[in-house]
Amino acid sequence: QVHLQQSGPGLVKPSQTLSLTCAISGDSVSNNAWSWIRQSPSRGLEWLGRTFYRSKWYNDYAPSVRSRVIINGDTSKNQFSLQLNSVTPEDTAVYYCARGPYISAWALDYWGQGTQVTVSS
Amino acid sequence: EIVLTQSPGALSLSPGERATLSCRASQSVTSNYLAWYQQKPGQAPRLLIYGASSRAAGIPDRFSGSGSGTDFTLTISRLEPEDFAVYYCQQYGTSPVYTFGQGTKLEIK
Repeated sequence: QVHLQQSGPGLVKPSQTLSLTCAISGDSVSNNAWSWIRQSPSRGLEWLGRTFYRSKWYNDYAPSVRSRVIINGDTSKNQFSLQLNSVTPEDTAVYYCARGPYISAWALDYWGQGTQVTVSS
Repeated sequence: EIVLTQSPGALSLSPGERATLSCRASQSVTSNYLAWYQQKPGQAPRLLIYGASSRAAGIPDRFSGSGSGTDFTLTISRLEPEDFAVYYCQQYGTSPVYTFGQGTKLEIK
């Protein structure tokens, strides 16, 4: 059974960097594609980006955050991370990590528990 | 970007009734890479259907998906009390790789 455990701060100051980590058990970070998604009342469910390993690491990012986002995979710790720079109150949302394998037609079959992140001074 | 429009925005039905939820895409969805999720308050979305019509592991057979191209449907044949939730469709394709519909809230009548 795959389990994703999220960690990271729930409060970030404007202009600073939001950093979250998703620890994986029951699968390997180098075996599948791993995404970050956020949800807010104003924007609904919004995919932010993903990372996957095919002899080297690849990333896809949503155009809305491409200039501010970095997603990294870490095989030594079997986890992946999200960094979102220069945050504003518009980045306040519940953030989720999720797995999106080819075997499920890339649908997001396992999700983390969610982290409420508030951007406020 | 492919925009997904779900209808209706809210649906009021009684347990035992049949629910039909619609998802329309602004362009044809690549290889029918269309998924449906259920979300309850305070929980992460739960995958129900992938590839437009394949049920995810552990999903009861009262849930079914159909459609192709730009028009997709999620049907719940006989509503159980635990089925009242918000339902989202999602497509996989080109940038952005994933997009979601705005959701349909299924309420108890």
